[in-house]
Amino acid sequence: AQKVTQAQTEISVVEKEDVTLDCVYETRDTTYYLFWYKQPPSGELVFLIRRNSFDEQNEISGRYSWNFQKSTSSFNFTITASQVVDSAVYFCALSESTGRRALTFGSGTRLQVQP
Amino acid sequence: GAVVSQHPSRVICKSGTSVKIECRSLDFQATTMFWYRQFPKQSLMLMATSNEGSKATYEQGVEKDKFLINHASLTLSTLTVTSAHPEDSSFYICSAGSSGGTFTDTQYFGPGTRLTVL
Repeated sequence: AQKVTQAQTEISVVEKEDVTLDCVYETRDTTYYLFWYKQPPSGELVFLIRRNSFDEQNEISGRYSWNFQKSTSSFNFTITASQVVDSAVYFCALSESTGRRALTFGSGTRLQVQP
Repeated sequence: GAVVSQHPSRVICKSGTSVKIECRSLDFQATTMFWYRQFPKQSLMLMATSNEGSKATYEQGVEKDKFLINHASLTLSTLTVTSAHPEDSSFYICSAGSSGGTFTDTQYFGPGTRLTVL
């Protein structure tokens, strides 16, 4: 069975602060995909990143960066110089690389960026 | 990127009525679509996997007779909530994957349907 844990229920920061959202996962699959999605108040899921289990390189995209550590089964997400528009719920998710490929979501972290 | 639409975006109905939600892949063919449900301030939970031309696969605890899924074509899956009750009020989101070798392993999510049952 797969499981994704986002221990931080809610985080509040002041604009321009850096913030890291934690994600720990469990799976028996040797190959899998990890994702991060942003869900603003409108409800629509916004895709941020997909990471293959074979690719442990960290990735940076603008103010966003991701740290994938297979040894600790973690896939953490950092926002640098946060902005009010970053306020949303962020979900980490895991899927099989074969078969059904449905996503298992973490419980989400609500990020509030105060001006 | 691929686009998935859902209709309606919002629906309010009386208890006991049935509601149909459509999920369409607009620019690609989807052999598999997934239906998720999200209660307020909770995570998304997979309800069922919809396969074109075959019966849907339901997750444990999801009543297949209450949540009818039809995947009649490669671009359309429908979820019908039969005899809806207030506890069915939720945000329903579909996602779709493409057919065959070009599957990117990035599911494309629809914008969601907010169902309120009075």
